[in-house]
Amino acid sequence: GPKVLQIPSHQIIDMGQMVTLNCDPVSNHLYFYWYKQILGQQMEFLVNFYNGKVMEKSKLFKDQFSVERPDGSYFTLKIQPTALEDSAVYFCASSLGGNERLFFGHGTKLSVL
Amino acid sequence: GQQVQQSPTSLVLQEGENAELQCNFSTSLNSMQWFYQRPGGSLISVFYNPSGTKQSGRLTSTTVIKERRSSLHISSSQITDSGTYLCAMDRYNQGKLIFGQGTKLSIKP
Repeated sequence: GPKVLQIPSHQIIDMGQMVTLNCDPVSNHLYFYWYKQILGQQMEFLVNFYNGKVMEKSKLFKDQFSVERPDGSYFTLKIQPTALEDSAVYFCASSLGGNERLFFGHGTKLSVL
Repeated sequence: GQQVQQSPTSLVLQEGENAELQCNFSTSLNSMQWFYQRPGGSLISVFYNPSGTKQSGRLTSTTVIKERRSSLHISSSQITDSGTYLCAMDRYNQGKLIFGQGTKLSIKP
């Protein structure tokens, strides 16, 4: 099936540093998403993105978070500065339309020390 | 409370038995998806099922939107079916999925 690639698979970072998580969505998809899963907990929606803009963000999407997809390249999630509670697996997803099936990447495990 | 309730929380079966997983939604919804999450964490879309019954190999999903429920049936389970099955609903068809807590399925030889 369609593949969403996430780079890196694991990132270890010191608290206070900046981190950028990269996502290569399915090539013809137009809608992009980030989800967060803390170890042992539920998957939760962070943000969705379409036509170069954030459509909706959850309360988990703190001011330190930002997303962009410059010139059709990677869809990125930047956290600046990182905090200990940002440690989680971050999943990127994409879909052709807003009412279509979402395809997820394998996740980036972020460990903030 | 939980908007997406999955049952059972965990299920242990012998290889070859059938598995029945349930998902109930506390609010109206437009669509839902079933996912399989490997022990390593990666998430695989199993079914996108806004309504009705869909089948893929040994897996069958039935969603009754008006009754706010969906089920996933796995026939003749195999050891490789072990993992966590997640259901998620989309209330407004915007890709903002609300996930359940998951059903952990363990298939024993």
